[in-house]
This record gives sequence, structure tokens and C-alpha cells, in this order.
Amino acid sequence: RKEVEQDPGPFNVPEGATVAFNCTYSNSASQSFFWYRQDCRKEPKLLMSVYSSGNEDGRFTAQLNRASQYISLLIRDSKLSDSATYLCVVTLRGDTGRRALTFGSGTRLQVQP
Amino acid sequence: NAGVMQNPRHLVRRRGQEARLRCSPMKGHSHVYWYRQLPEEGLKFMVYLQKENIIDESGMPKERFSAEFPKEGPSILRIQQVVRGDSAAYFCASSPGTGRNTEAFFGQGTRLTVV
Repeated sequence: RKEVEQDPGPFNVPEGATVAFNCTYSNSASQSFFWYRQDCRKEPKLLMSVYSSGNEDGRFTAQLNRASQYISLLIRDSKLSDSATYLCVVTLRGDTGRRALTFGSGTRLQVQP
Repeated sequence: NAGVMQNPRHLVRRRGQEARLRCSPMKGHSHVYWYRQLPEEGLKFMVYLQKENIIDESGMPKERFSAEFPKEGPSILRIQQVVRGDSAAYFCASSPGTGRNTEAFFGQGTRLTVV
């Protein structure tokens, strides 16, 4: 089983739609959670951290469910500029200290005019 | 505060040559990560380094690949005797430490093409 799993998509949605991505992680000791965004042939950029209580940043809402080991990202009122690949990222503290960020393969979003 | 700097941005090597990819972390960051991304695929972890130490190299191929992060200077990812399958984008990321919710910041990547 992959450590971090995402539906690869693509998700094709019209402008203004609400879209949700889920991500599951296998290691219950995982400690930190993030959503990154990657545009075509560019470097990944942090979109938002994900906190246990859930957090919101404008049109974006992230949720964490530790019991079921999944995190989600909700995008409201989709814009054309939201078209990108969204990467779910998890870290955990191993025996030797912090382990590197572990990335899911990403979910592609294409917002249509 | 300059971001993570990678060079070169593009690198072309013939099969059998060596490739050296450089990464200068953000100022104040002492943790460096290297990732590889094949065309149309996700990011794959390769190695995690702190100054003068390799912390986790579980994602590094056993042969031809090596990485270092010396006390002075950039982190180097070295690929010896490159093959066509090494063609990919190689991204470096840095972070300031290991605190909770400490995110990493990425460089623009080096695109290696093996001909």
C-alpha cells in the first residue's frame, strides 16, 4: 500500500463549481499535513497546512480526520487559475528524527470556462 | 531572502557521462530534500540531508546516485554514467528544521535530458 494515496483525476469542473479532493495516508504516526499545488512543469508550492481543527483560507478549506487517516481539500467557486495538480503531503517523526515530506502522486484539476 | 536556488535549470548529458545538480537552500535552512519527477508522474523522494549528514537515503537508487550537503556550499546530487531513464526533473527543497508543521520550499528544478 502506498504511504500517501490520491485519486489522480483529472477532475474537470466548470468555473464556479465546488470540488473536493481526498487523500489517505497509511502511517498512523504521521504528524504534519500539507496541501501543495504544482503547475505544469513548475515546482510545487505550499497551498496550506492542515490542522487537526480544520482550517480555511479564502475559497480553500482543509480538513484532517486522524481516526480514518485522511485529509481533504475543498475548493469553492473554482477559477480557471485553480487548474493545477494538487499534492497531498505527509510527514512523520521516525526513530532518527523527522522524516522527509512524503508526497502523494497528485490530483489534476482542470477548470473549464 | 532568496528562495531555494537550483542550477543548472536545464542539463543535457550523453549516456555514460556524469550529471551534477546543485541546490542552495534558503538562508537559515539546514535541511535539504531531493525529489525526482518523471514525465507525467508524481514526485518521488530520493534523499534527505542535513549539513554534512545523510538522514534518509531510502529513495536513492543503489548505484550511480550519490548526494552530499557539505558544511560550506550547496548540496550536490551526482549521477554517474547517466542512462536515458535518468531523464527527469529533479527538485530540491529546504526547510529550517523539524518542528511541527514546518513546511519545505522548493527550487525551480533541474531538468535533465540524457541523449
